[in-house]
Amino acid sequence: KNQVEQSPQSLIILEGKNCTLQCNYTVSPFSNLRWYKQDTGRGPVSLTIMTFSENTKSNGRYTATLDADTKQSSLHITASQLSDSASYICVVTPDAGNMLTFGGGTRLMVKP
Amino acid sequence: DAGVTQSPTHLIKTRGQHVTLRCSPISGHKSVSWYQQVLGQGPQFIFQYYEKEERGRGNFPDRFSARQFPNYSSELNVNALLLGDSALYLCASSGDRVNSPLHFGNGTRLTVT
Repeated sequence: KNQVEQSPQSLIILEGKNCTLQCNYTVSPFSNLRWYKQDTGRGPVSLTIMTFSENTKSNGRYTATLDADTKQSSLHITASQLSDSASYICVVTPDAGNMLTFGGGTRLMVKP
Repeated sequence: DAGVTQSPTHLIKTRGQHVTLRCSPISGHKSVSWYQQVLGQGPQFIFQYYEKEERGRGNFPDRFSARQFPNYSSELNVNALLLGDSALYLCASSGDRVNSPLHFGNGTRLTVT
C-alpha cells in the first residue's frame, strides 16, 4: 500500500529560527514529490515540485530535498516568520495512475 | 485571474440527505480532482476528471459520484450522508504540462448532523 508519513506531527518554533520537516514515503516508482502549505481554512498552496531525478528545489525561504534511494524528503524553512504558521503537506504522485498520496501534514506554529 | 472557486463555502446537512458540491477550475485547466480532508488529517483523493472523463477514483463508496461538464467545471455528489462524511471537500485543477502543480480551491466545509 502506498503511504506517505510525515514528522513531526506538530512543531512550535520561535520567529527567526530555522526548522526541518520530514517526509518518508513508500510510493514506488513515483513521478514527483510535492510540498504544499495549507493555512487554516484555506486550500493547500504549492511550494515545490521535484521529479525523482531532482535532489533539491528552492522557493524563497523554503528548500525541499529528495533522496530517492532512502525514499525521504525534507522541507527546510529558513528564518521563520509568523506567516509560516500553517500545515505543511507532502504529496507523492505514483508513476502509474493518478491517485496522489498525501501525508498527514506537519502543523507548524511560529511564535514571536 | 480567478483561481479555483468552490461553492458553497459551508453546508450543514442531516444524515441520509444528499449534497452537491461545485467547482470551477482555473481558466484553461481541463483536469479537475476532488479530495476529502477530515479535520487534522491530510487530504484523501476521491476523483479525477479530465476532458469530462473519469481518470481516477480513490477508495470511497459508491455514494460518492462526480462529473465534469463541457466547460470543465465539476460537481461532486454524495448520497445517503453519514456523520463521517463531515469534512472539508477540496477541488483542484491543473494544466496539461507534466508535473503541473495542483491549484486548490478553499474548499466546502460540510457538516453532517
